[in-house]
Amino acid sequence: DAKTTQPPSMDCAEGRAANLPCNHSTISGNEYVYWYRQIHSQGPQYIIHGLKNNETNEMASLIITEDRKSSTLILPHATLRDTAVYYCIFIKKSNDYKLSFGAGTTVTVRA
Amino acid sequence: DAGVIQSPRHEVTEMGQEVTLRCKPISGHNSLFWYRQTMMRGLELLIYFNNNVPIDDSGMPEDRFSAKMPNASFSTLKIQPSEPRDSAVYFCASTYGDSRNTEAFFGQGTRLTVV
Repeated sequence: DAKTTQPPSMDCAEGRAANLPCNHSTISGNEYVYWYRQIHSQGPQYIIHGLKNNETNEMASLIITEDRKSSTLILPHATLRDTAVYYCIFIKKSNDYKLSFGAGTTVTVRA
Repeated sequence: DAGVIQSPRHEVTEMGQEVTLRCKPISGHNSLFWYRQTMMRGLELLIYFNNNVPIDDSGMPEDRFSAKMPNASFSTLKIQPSEPRDSAVYFCASTYGDSRNTEAFFGQGTRLTVV
């Protein structure tokens, strides 16, 4: 399985953009980059995913470098409710959807 | 759909007792996952099923743990006998285990305390 590297923690000011990096130099061509987050005491929640192109939805944007060795999750206007642990994960979109979590990045949004 | 439903939400049991955790996946999903979360070890994948068949159980800690999925709408995780170190939050998740999948949905978890 491809491995990801994320900073253990980061702070962000409320209302500002939060940029969460993820390094994945060993990602293979058929693996998708997925982001999940876990708010305290809740189950993880899907945010966004992508393969090669940048993606945007109502929650966030995902920027993937051209060589696919790294990506950045962007929360455009962070709120206090975005305080959570954010996980960057690789998944082969096939019938072997194995979802394994690393340590993630603990994001604290401060007022 | 009500989402992934886990029961019970909280369980307190004495060491040595059998514990059974239950999960009802989202209707139509064919992949189901069991996770354990502790402060020390984070979120660990214990086992996952595809079309009711266990695909990977390499995360199951030892023989005291067993998981079953008798049909597409129900799964159990059993610990027998339970030990204090099994205290954790156990999550169940489900998704479409094929190229359609976009996301996995998680239940609210079962907080297990073994005293």
